[in-house]
Amino acid sequence: DAGVTQSPTHLIKTRGQQVTLRCSPKSGHDTVSWYQQALGQGPQFIFQYYEEEERQRGNFPDRFSGHQFPNYSSELNVNALLLGDSALYLCASSTPGTRGGEQYFGPGTRLTVT
Amino acid sequence: GNSVTQMEGPVTLSEEAFLTINCTYTATGYPSLFWYVQYPGEGLQLLLKATKADDKGSNKGFEATYRKETTSFHLEKGSVQVSDSAVYFCALNLSGGYQKVTFGIGTKLQVIP
Repeated sequence: DAGVTQSPTHLIKTRGQQVTLRCSPKSGHDTVSWYQQALGQGPQFIFQYYEEEERQRGNFPDRFSGHQFPNYSSELNVNALLLGDSALYLCASSTPGTRGGEQYFGPGTRLTVT
Repeated sequence: GNSVTQMEGPVTLSEEAFLTINCTYTATGYPSLFWYVQYPGEGLQLLLKATKADDKGSNKGFEATYRKETTSFHLEKGSVQVSDSAVYFCALNLSGGYQKVTFGIGTKLQVIP
């Protein structure tokens, strides 16, 4: 049973550029959430997708956008990159109504903005 | 809003020592509580969970009890191993349809032989 997968593993971009990160959820899961984890910090919720729509959003600017496809996979897009966007980006999948509501995380994409 | 407060590390212990990592929370409603572990260079793994008051989550020798009266979910292990060295995150989410997870800052544990 494949878990949550993310690509790429690492990415280096320059300020002002745009980046797209990808995520495939765990088999049987239909909800994808994205988190940003800065160095030495806990993950911060960016947004969540369900049925191809953004269902909930954290305190992140509009430069952060996303998409969910019919097969439940998801993309995170960040425009006009800033140095402060350097972080580990984690994707998590889940199924609404699961008792306890735990989320399963992928290995993350390490984004470095120079 | 919802928040999680956990003790800041790093915590350094000798192998076979007893571990406690404190975690308290603030939440509207009735949250589920989690401990996640992050090994160096990896993503987060769910370590254990508890979904209601007085529930005890346990896994790999780790335990935590959901204490509603003290809004706490402290992580314990009776005898740590070098392989337990990692960062531990306390987290919560509210039951229901939306499952945004709120994390604590993380506590780094280093176990020395």
